[in-house]
Amino acid sequence: AQSVTQLDSQVPVFEEAPVELRCNYSSSVSVYLFWYVQYPNQGLQLLLKYLSGSTLVKGINGFEAEFNKSQTSFHLRKPSVHISDTAEYFCAVITVNYGGSQGNLIFGKGTKLSVKP
Amino acid sequence: ETGVTQSPTHLIKTRGQQVTLRCSSQSGHNTVSWYQQALGQGPQFIFQYYREEENGRGNFPPRFSGLQFPNYSSELNVNALELDDSALYLCASSLMTVNTEAFFGQGTRLTVV
Repeated sequence: AQSVTQLDSQVPVFEEAPVELRCNYSSSVSVYLFWYVQYPNQGLQLLLKYLSGSTLVKGINGFEAEFNKSQTSFHLRKPSVHISDTAEYFCAVITVNYGGSQGNLIFGKGTKLSVKP
Repeated sequence: ETGVTQSPTHLIKTRGQQVTLRCSSQSGHNTVSWYQQALGQGPQFIFQYYREEENGRGNFPPRFSGLQFPNYSSELNVNALELDDSALYLCASSLMTVNTEAFFGQGTRLTVV
């Protein structure tokens, strides 16, 4: 069975500092990984995704993530955060149905990023 | 900006009642998935509909049911509401191929009292 673990429930950081949000996954099949962001009272927005190819994935708003198969990790990073990055971030893995069609997303519990001035 | 819209945005129901939540999928998408997000938790998969048929279900009891219409919009119905059903319900629309993005709506905040 697939699962996702986000190691930090809350990450406080000062504006313009770097940040890393950690995510580990468990899967016995091909892995497709995602990071979503959720601003207060809103739905989920895709930041970036890893399907195959280069292990360093660049996303929106200056975020990037690195897929590490040996460590089963997909940590999210940003070199310099802004106040507007304050939100909750979810790591997710997608199941793949027989025949290769899209199944459902399995989410971690989320990490609340709080950027302070 | 996604084209996925959910209604209503907020809802208060009494324990034991029934509720219907609605989702209009993004144009061109044929798959709708529903998720329950309890406070402080990540979204949990309820079920997925593809071309009007249920195409997968998470660990939710049968009182959670759904429909998908020919225009690919969808409904989530919950019968015999319990206090623990209080949550944000998210709808996501996509295509069935694994390398396509799922677009989420803003969600419906359900409070059961």
